[in-house]
Amino acid sequence: GAGVSQSPRYKVAKRGQDVALRCDPISGHVSLFWYQQALGQGPEFLTYFQNEAQLDKSGLPSDRFFAERPEGSVSTLKIQRTQQEDSAVYLCASSSGTMGYEQYFGPGTRLTVT
Amino acid sequence: RKEVEQDPGPFNVPEGATVAFNCTYSNSASQSFFWYRQDCRKEPKLLMSVYSSGNEDGRFTAQLNRASQYISLLIRDSKLSDSATYLCAHYNNNDMRFGAGTRLTVKP
Repeated sequence: GAGVSQSPRYKVAKRGQDVALRCDPISGHVSLFWYQQALGQGPEFLTYFQNEAQLDKSGLPSDRFFAERPEGSVSTLKIQRTQQEDSAVYLCASSSGTMGYEQYFGPGTRLTVT
Repeated sequence: RKEVEQDPGPFNVPEGATVAFNCTYSNSASQSFFWYRQDCRKEPKLLMSVYSSGNEDGRFTAQLNRASQYISLLIRDSKLSDSATYLCAHYNNNDMRFGAGTRLTVKP
């Protein structure tokens, strides 16, 4: 079946631009997670949705980062006024349960801010 | 202290070798533990879940030691295709926390 998909796969933004990253989770998956992964590091948690509710956004690094999942399926991570330190791979994962369940990752969006 | 700590490696082993990775975690209340495999420039893929004292899947065995707060992954009869970075992870309330990964290279 279809896995988690993300778009775009690659994004180059000039510093100061806004970007929007999209995630399509596995159909029917209740939970959706966003992670940021820097080179040589493990994924770092950004935010968590259960259906359309954003239950945890403690990992968002600044108020320039905003995520939404208005209908409980597709999610968008928006970064305003991008900075060079925002360059990373942004991974989306979904899970069939609410907590403690296996997460399945999308291919990620590689963001480069120049 | 980081939430999840792993030996970054790299581990360079010959084909057929047995290799083991450890991962320590700081949240003693964690209930769910996982091992993921990540190939270069790819997303993490779930390798094994570790829900109780441990489990085995073919050449892979995962163990959980709650008293010492670590999980381990044992790979027997390693193959060239096992070369990857292995990430351990556990749930901390709503979110999953990952280690930085252990890099394994299996050589002919």
